[in-house]
Amino acid sequence: EVQLVESGGGLAQPGGSLRLSCAASGFMFNFFAMHWVRQAPGKGLEWVSSLTGSGYATYYARSVEGRFTISRDNSQNVLYLQMSSLRTDDTAIYYCVKDREVASTIPQYYFDDWGQGILVTVSS
Amino acid sequence: EIVLTQSPATLSLSPGEGATLSCRASQSVRSHLAWYQQKPGQAPRLLIFDASNRATGVPARFSGSGSGTDFTLTISGLEPADSATYYCQQRGKWPPTFGQGTRLDLK
Repeated sequence: EVQLVESGGGLAQPGGSLRLSCAASGFMFNFFAMHWVRQAPGKGLEWVSSLTGSGYATYYARSVEGRFTISRDNSQNVLYLQMSSLRTDDTAIYYCVKDREVASTIPQYYFDDWGQGILVTVSS
Repeated sequence: EIVLTQSPATLSLSPGEGATLSCRASQSVRSHLAWYQQKPGQAPRLLIFDASNRATGVPARFSGSGSGTDFTLTISGLEPADSATYYCQQRGKWPPTFGQGTRLDLK
Protein backbone atom coordinates (compact mmCIF):
# COMPACT_ATOMS: atom_id res chain seq x y z
CA GLU A 1 0.00 0.00 0.00
CA VAL A 2 1.31 3.43 -0.98
CA GLN A 3 1.88 5.74 1.98
CA LEU A 4 2.97 9.36 1.83
CA VAL A 5 3.46 11.17 5.13
CA GLU A 6 4.26 14.88 5.18
CA SER A 7 5.98 16.70 8.01
CA GLY A 8 7.66 20.02 8.70
CA GLY A 9 4.74 22.36 8.36
CA GLY A 10 3.71 25.04 10.81
CA LEU A 11 3.87 28.77 11.30
CA ALA A 12 6.44 30.93 9.53
CA GLN A 13 6.88 34.68 9.29
CA PRO A 14 6.71 36.51 5.98
CA GLY A 15 10.17 36.35 4.43
CA GLY A 16 10.99 33.25 6.43
CA SER A 17 11.79 29.68 5.47
CA LEU A 18 10.38 26.23 6.06
CA ARG A 19 11.28 22.77 4.80
CA LEU A 20 8.63 20.14 4.17
CA SER A 21 9.44 16.44 4.06
CA CYS A 22 7.43 13.53 2.70
CA ALA A 23 8.27 9.98 3.71
CA ALA A 24 7.21 7.52 1.03
CA SER A 25 6.65 3.78 1.25
CA GLY A 26 4.85 0.96 -0.51
CA PHE A 27 6.22 1.56 -4.01
CA MET A 28 9.48 1.84 -5.95
CA PHE A 29 10.14 5.47 -5.02
CA ASN A 30 12.89 6.15 -7.55
CA PHE A 31 10.70 4.94 -10.45
CA PHE A 32 8.14 7.73 -10.05
CA ALA A 33 8.09 11.46 -10.48
CA MET A 34 6.82 13.23 -7.38
CA HIS A 35 4.90 16.45 -6.90
CA TRP A 36 3.78 19.06 -4.41
CA VAL A 37 0.25 20.39 -4.79
CA ARG A 38 -1.21 22.98 -2.42
CA GLN A 39 -4.64 24.21 -1.40
CA ALA A 40 -5.21 27.56 0.27
CA PRO A 41 -7.89 27.55 3.00
CA GLY A 42 -11.30 27.16 1.39
CA LYS A 43 -9.83 27.36 -2.11
CA GLY A 44 -9.02 25.06 -5.01
CA LEU A 45 -5.96 23.03 -5.90
CA GLU A 46 -2.72 24.51 -7.25
CA TRP A 47 0.21 22.58 -8.65
CA VAL A 48 3.45 23.78 -7.04
CA SER A 49 6.42 21.71 -8.15
CA SER A 50 7.54 18.38 -9.59
CA LEU A 51 10.69 16.39 -10.13
CA THR A 52 11.61 13.28 -12.02
CA GLY A 53 12.40 9.94 -10.43
CA SER A 54 16.12 10.56 -10.74
CA GLY A 55 15.73 14.04 -9.28
CA TYR A 56 17.71 15.58 -12.12
CA ALA A 57 14.84 17.55 -13.66
CA THR A 58 12.71 19.94 -11.62
CA TYR A 59 9.67 22.01 -12.47
CA TYR A 60 8.04 24.94 -10.67
CA ALA A 61 4.89 27.00 -10.85
CA ARG A 62 5.56 30.63 -11.70
CA SER A 63 4.23 31.65 -8.28
CA VAL A 64 7.04 29.82 -6.45
CA GLU A 65 9.90 29.82 -8.99
CA GLY A 66 13.09 31.14 -7.41
CA ARG A 67 11.74 30.79 -3.86
CA PHE A 68 11.00 27.07 -3.51
CA THR A 69 13.32 24.11 -4.18
CA ILE A 70 12.14 20.55 -4.65
CA SER A 71 14.49 17.64 -4.07
CA ARG A 72 14.49 13.98 -3.15
CA ASP A 73 16.66 11.40 -1.43
CA ASN A 74 16.06 8.10 -3.20
CA SER A 75 18.21 6.21 -0.70
CA GLN A 76 15.82 7.24 2.10
CA ASN A 77 12.57 7.46 0.05
CA VAL A 78 12.00 11.07 1.05
CA LEU A 79 10.73 14.06 -0.93
CA TYR A 80 11.50 17.61 0.18
CA LEU A 81 10.24 21.11 -0.47
CA GLN A 82 12.48 23.92 0.74
CA MET A 83 10.41 27.09 0.93
CA SER A 84 12.11 30.48 1.27
CA SER A 85 11.03 34.12 1.06
CA LEU A 86 7.61 32.97 2.22
CA ARG A 87 4.61 35.20 1.57
CA THR A 88 1.21 35.27 3.20
CA ASP A 89 -0.33 33.86 0.02
CA ASP A 90 1.80 30.72 0.46
CA THR A 91 -0.50 29.79 3.34
CA ALA A 92 -2.03 26.46 2.36
CA ILE A 93 -2.23 22.76 2.94
CA TYR A 94 0.68 21.19 1.03
CA TYR A 95 0.17 17.72 -0.38
CA CYS A 96 2.91 15.31 -1.38
CA VAL A 97 1.71 13.44 -4.45
CA LYS A 98 2.93 10.47 -6.45
CA ASP A 99 2.74 10.47 -10.24
CA ARG A 100 0.39 7.91 -11.74
CA GLU A 101 2.82 6.34 -14.18
CA VAL A 102 6.32 4.97 -14.08
CA ALA A 103 8.39 7.32 -16.22
CA SER A 104 12.11 7.84 -16.41
CA THR A 105 12.41 11.15 -18.18
CA ILE A 106 9.55 13.56 -17.47
CA PRO A 107 6.64 13.74 -15.03
CA GLN A 108 3.29 12.58 -16.38
CA TYR A 109 1.30 15.04 -14.25
CA TYR A 110 -1.57 12.80 -13.25
CA PHE A 111 -1.73 12.89 -9.47
CA ASP A 112 -2.40 9.39 -8.24
CA ASP A 113 -1.61 8.87 -4.55
CA TRP A 114 -1.78 11.78 -2.11
CA GLY A 115 -0.48 12.31 1.40
CA GLN A 116 -2.82 13.61 4.10
CA GLY A 117 -1.40 17.12 3.67
CA ILE A 118 0.45 19.47 5.98
CA LEU A 119 -0.60 22.99 6.88
CA VAL A 120 1.79 25.87 6.29
CA THR A 121 0.73 29.22 7.74
CA VAL A 122 2.66 32.35 6.84
CA SER A 123 1.75 35.19 9.17
CA SER A 124 3.38 37.82 11.33
CA GLU B 1 -1.47 28.81 -19.08
CA ILE B 2 -4.66 26.90 -19.74
CA VAL B 3 -7.71 27.95 -17.74
CA LEU B 4 -10.24 25.27 -16.85
CA THR B 5 -13.76 26.47 -16.13
CA GLN B 6 -16.08 24.10 -14.30
CA SER B 7 -19.85 24.30 -14.19
CA PRO B 8 -22.02 24.44 -12.32
CA ALA B 9 -20.30 25.76 -9.21
CA THR B 10 -22.73 23.85 -7.00
CA LEU B 11 -25.04 20.97 -7.75
CA SER B 12 -27.75 19.75 -5.39
CA LEU B 13 -29.27 16.38 -6.20
CA SER B 14 -31.01 13.45 -4.52
CA PRO B 15 -29.68 9.93 -4.00
CA GLY B 16 -30.37 7.74 -7.01
CA GLU B 17 -30.29 10.63 -9.47
CA GLY B 18 -27.57 11.22 -12.03
CA ALA B 19 -25.05 14.09 -12.05
CA THR B 20 -23.38 15.77 -15.00
CA LEU B 21 -20.35 17.97 -14.30
CA SER B 22 -18.72 20.05 -16.99
CA CYS B 23 -15.14 21.24 -17.52
CA ARG B 24 -14.17 23.58 -20.35
CA ALA B 25 -10.56 24.34 -21.30
CA SER B 26 -9.41 27.68 -22.70
CA GLN B 27 -7.59 25.80 -25.45
CA SER B 28 -7.35 22.20 -26.58
CA VAL B 29 -5.81 19.71 -24.16
CA ARG B 30 -6.62 16.75 -26.45
CA SER B 31 -7.60 13.93 -24.06
CA HIS B 32 -5.16 14.91 -21.32
CA LEU B 33 -7.69 15.57 -18.63
CA ALA B 34 -8.31 14.07 -15.19
CA TRP B 35 -11.05 14.30 -12.58
CA TYR B 36 -10.57 14.24 -8.81
CA GLN B 37 -12.97 13.89 -5.90
CA GLN B 38 -12.27 15.68 -2.62
CA LYS B 39 -14.34 15.19 0.51
CA PRO B 40 -14.11 17.70 3.38
CA GLY B 41 -10.95 17.26 5.42
CA GLN B 42 -9.51 14.71 3.02
CA ALA B 43 -6.94 14.69 0.25
CA PRO B 44 -8.17 14.56 -3.34
CA ARG B 45 -8.65 11.19 -5.02
CA LEU B 46 -7.97 10.50 -8.69
CA LEU B 47 -11.14 9.26 -10.39
CA ILE B 48 -10.59 9.56 -14.14
CA PHE B 49 -7.49 10.11 -16.29
CA ASP B 50 -7.06 10.62 -20.02
CA ALA B 51 -10.63 11.92 -20.11
CA SER B 52 -12.36 8.55 -19.85
CA ASN B 53 -10.21 6.00 -18.02
CA ARG B 54 -11.24 5.09 -14.49
CA ALA B 55 -8.47 4.94 -11.92
CA THR B 56 -7.97 1.78 -9.89
CA GLY B 57 -10.87 1.00 -7.59
CA VAL B 58 -13.22 3.66 -8.96
CA PRO B 59 -16.80 2.38 -9.36
CA ALA B 60 -18.28 2.11 -12.83
CA ARG B 61 -20.90 4.71 -11.77
CA PHE B 62 -18.24 7.30 -12.53
CA SER B 63 -17.56 7.92 -16.20
CA GLY B 64 -15.72 10.60 -18.13
CA SER B 65 -16.02 11.80 -21.69
CA GLY B 66 -14.85 14.54 -24.02
CA SER B 67 -11.77 15.74 -25.83
CA GLY B 68 -10.30 19.01 -27.02
CA THR B 69 -11.90 21.71 -24.88
CA ASP B 70 -15.11 20.17 -23.52
CA PHE B 71 -15.24 17.42 -20.93
CA THR B 72 -17.91 15.79 -18.77
CA LEU B 73 -17.88 13.75 -15.60
CA THR B 74 -21.05 11.70 -15.21
CA ILE B 75 -22.04 10.04 -11.96
CA SER B 76 -24.99 7.66 -12.16
CA GLY B 77 -27.08 6.39 -9.25
CA LEU B 78 -25.84 8.98 -6.77
CA GLU B 79 -25.04 7.77 -3.27
CA PRO B 80 -24.67 9.89 -0.11
CA ALA B 81 -20.91 9.18 -0.15
CA ASP B 82 -20.64 11.04 -3.47
CA SER B 83 -21.06 14.36 -1.66
CA ALA B 84 -17.78 16.10 -2.42
CA THR B 85 -16.06 18.72 -4.51
CA TYR B 86 -14.93 17.54 -7.93
CA TYR B 87 -11.98 19.07 -9.75
CA CYS B 88 -10.81 18.68 -13.32
CA GLN B 89 -7.12 18.99 -14.17
CA GLN B 90 -5.27 19.15 -17.47
CA ARG B 91 -1.81 18.00 -18.39
CA GLY B 92 -2.12 18.70 -22.12
CA LYS B 93 -0.09 21.88 -21.88
CA TRP B 94 2.48 22.74 -19.26
CA PRO B 95 1.97 23.89 -16.53
CA PRO B 96 -0.68 21.52 -15.25
CA THR B 97 -3.74 23.39 -14.04
CA PHE B 98 -6.92 22.67 -12.11
CA GLY B 99 -10.46 23.91 -12.46
CA GLN B 100 -12.05 25.79 -9.59
CA GLY B 101 -14.24 22.83 -8.61
CA THR B 102 -17.90 21.79 -8.56
CA ARG B 103 -19.45 21.07 -5.21
CA LEU B 104 -21.95 18.24 -5.28
CA ASP B 105 -24.44 18.15 -2.42
CA LEU B 106 -26.73 15.21 -1.83
CA LYS B 107 -30.07 16.27 -0.37
